[in-house]
Amino acid sequence: DTGVSQDPRHKITKRGQNVTFRCDPISEHNRLYWYRQTLGQGPEFLTYFQNEAQLEKSRLLSDRFSAERPKGSFSTLEIQRTEQGDSAMYLCASSLSVGERVNVLTFGAGSRLTVL
Amino acid sequence: DAKTTQPPSMDCAEGRAANLPCNHSTISGNEYVYWYRQIHSQGPQYIIHGLKNNETNEMASLIITEDRKSSTLILPHATLRDTAVYYCIVRSYSSNTGKLIFGQGTTLQVKP
Repeated sequence: DTGVSQDPRHKITKRGQNVTFRCDPISEHNRLYWYRQTLGQGPEFLTYFQNEAQLEKSRLLSDRFSAERPKGSFSTLEIQRTEQGDSAMYLCASSLSVGERVNVLTFGAGSRLTVL
Repeated sequence: DAKTTQPPSMDCAEGRAANLPCNHSTISGNEYVYWYRQIHSQGPQYIIHGLKNNETNEMASLIITEDRKSSTLILPHATLRDTAVYYCIVRSYSSNTGKLIFGQGTTLQVKP
């Protein structure tokens, strides 16, 4: 297994366009997380999935953002009508949760979005 | 989850031990201390975690005070590749979500 993969690594778009990021977690991991990170700040939690169910969404996740994990494997994060403030690194992480024992999160390298 | 306080930046000479402190004075009994680091332009990387006993792995050692209100991450022989932002995070092991809440971290600069 090659870890958590994210695609694309870099995306430049014009304001108002839609963008989609894909995350492929570690295959046996049942939990998947999305984070956003702006320059000089720590990663901020956006949302997470347990298998295909989206169980928590941060207030940071405006109605222009939507995340899916249709078959409990890969996930997509779509941003509609992008704004310059959406420029950030979007990080995906996965973990294996068995009962109440939650393992560590493994992060991908991130997808950097620049909105012009 | 309890809040953590870390110095914003630290320097360390290459080959010397790097000791990164973290204050978590409001930690509760079921909360673990986790350390992650983030090298420039990469995703955060897990380093180590502990509850109350000192822990050591191939990357680092974690020293937790007896009252658990603070901890220190030790990189025994820092190299230039250890230059990164180090995050100390407190989280319940049985957290419903398992999510991590990151602070600002400590930027460690290892100098030749």
